[in-house]
Amino acid sequence: EAGVAQSPRYKIIEKRQSVAFWCNPISGHATLYWYQQILGQGPKLLIQFQNNGVVDDSQLPKDRFSAERLKGVDSTLKIQPAKLEDSAVYLCASSSFGTPRSYEQYFGPGTRLTVT
Amino acid sequence: DAKTTQPNSMESNEEEPVHLPCNHSTISGTDYIHWYRQLPSQGPEYVIHGLTSNVNNRMASLAIAEDRKSSTLILHRATLRDAAVYYCTVNSGGSNYKLTFGKGTLLTVNP
Repeated sequence: EAGVAQSPRYKIIEKRQSVAFWCNPISGHATLYWYQQILGQGPKLLIQFQNNGVVDDSQLPKDRFSAERLKGVDSTLKIQPAKLEDSAVYLCASSSFGTPRSYEQYFGPGTRLTVT
Repeated sequence: DAKTTQPNSMESNEEEPVHLPCNHSTISGTDYIHWYRQLPSQGPEYVIHGLTSNVNNRMASLAIAEDRKSSTLILHRATLRDAAVYYCTVNSGGSNYKLTFGKGTLLTVNP
């Protein structure tokens, strides 16, 4: 089965510019997560979707970050405007829902963002 | 979710067993213990999880203390490909299932 796809893999922007990341989860996975991983730290959950509804966005900086999953499949995460501290790897993960393996999250390769 | 404490780093020799500890003293009765690992330049991958009983799968074993306040991930024969950051996390699962990662343990495997 195909894994979680993310694009782009790398992005370099200047501060105050905007950027968008795309994620396509594993087929049939209803739950989708976006994580931010700063160098040397573990991933931090930004937002969790269940189909096209938001389950948890308590750690999403809503003044500059937004995310959507309009058709309950792929998702985009946007930053506008970017700050230097947004430099990180943005990871997308997905999991099934209501199945015996709903506990297992599958992660994509991530997008490495550098803000200069 | 309960907080976890892991050593920052550990070292092992190839083909020897590795025991990676995790303390989760504030774990509740319904919290599951999960282990993920992250190889260099990759996203995390699921390793194993458990509730009360010890668990085995093709990748590793999970030994859970009787009081559930600590657990140990066991790699029976470490290989160079096991060099990674290992994360221990606990959570209650359910429909709002989410993982809270700490800094994890960086495992170095020497040839």
